[in-house]
Amino acid sequence: AQSVTQLDSHVSVSEGTPVLLRCNYSSSYSPSLFWYVQHPNKGLQLLLKYTSAATLVKGINGFEAEFKKSETSFHLTKPSAHMSDAAEYFCVVSLFTGGGNKLTFGTGTQLKVEL
Amino acid sequence: NAGVTQTPKFQVLKTGQSMTLQCAQDMNHEYMSWYRQDPGMGLRLIHYSVGAGITDQGEVPNGYNVSRSTTEDFPLRLLSAAPSQTSVYFCASSPITGTSGSKTQYFGPGTRLLVL
Repeated sequence: AQSVTQLDSHVSVSEGTPVLLRCNYSSSYSPSLFWYVQHPNKGLQLLLKYTSAATLVKGINGFEAEFKKSETSFHLTKPSAHMSDAAEYFCVVSLFTGGGNKLTFGTGTQLKVEL
Repeated sequence: NAGVTQTPKFQVLKTGQSMTLQCAQDMNHEYMSWYRQDPGMGLRLIHYSVGAGITDQGEVPNGYNVSRSTTEDFPLRLLSAAPSQTSVYFCASSPITGTSGSKTQYFGPGTRLLVL
């Protein structure tokens, strides 16, 4: 079984300040982990993914995430928030099931960026 | 290369009506899936397919049917719509890796469904 917990449903930051979106996971196997972003009324876009290589993963738009097995965490960070970062972010764990990748989504974190 | 396409973008149904949500991909991906997105619940897997002629249930399959006659297409059918099926539906596809779960799933733009 696998699950994902996003610890904050809403995060608000000022433009230019750091962003931290927290995610903890549970998986019976070595997980593959993803962060997706969804802008209002849009589809989902992949930000970054962890696939058992480097534990610090760099993604698009300046985002990065660090896989910490001992803490079962995969927090998303960005040094300086931009207004265009305002969106909903989903942490996702992937389980390979003999032919396909079943994704389990967290409940999402809404990021608000203020001037 | 259009990626994953979904039609329609928006649909209103009355309770008891039936309809089919279309999904197509042009990336020759073996794996395709349908999710529904509801506020505060993330995305939940409805059905998935690992290739033409092969489908299986996900987390919330009740009220939905799927079939996969070609690699490209994976339609989702609502046989008798209910207000509880009001949601945003996303189709996704990915290659099949064989040994790891690391392949990225590509999502379509979504279909907003309102059942009255």
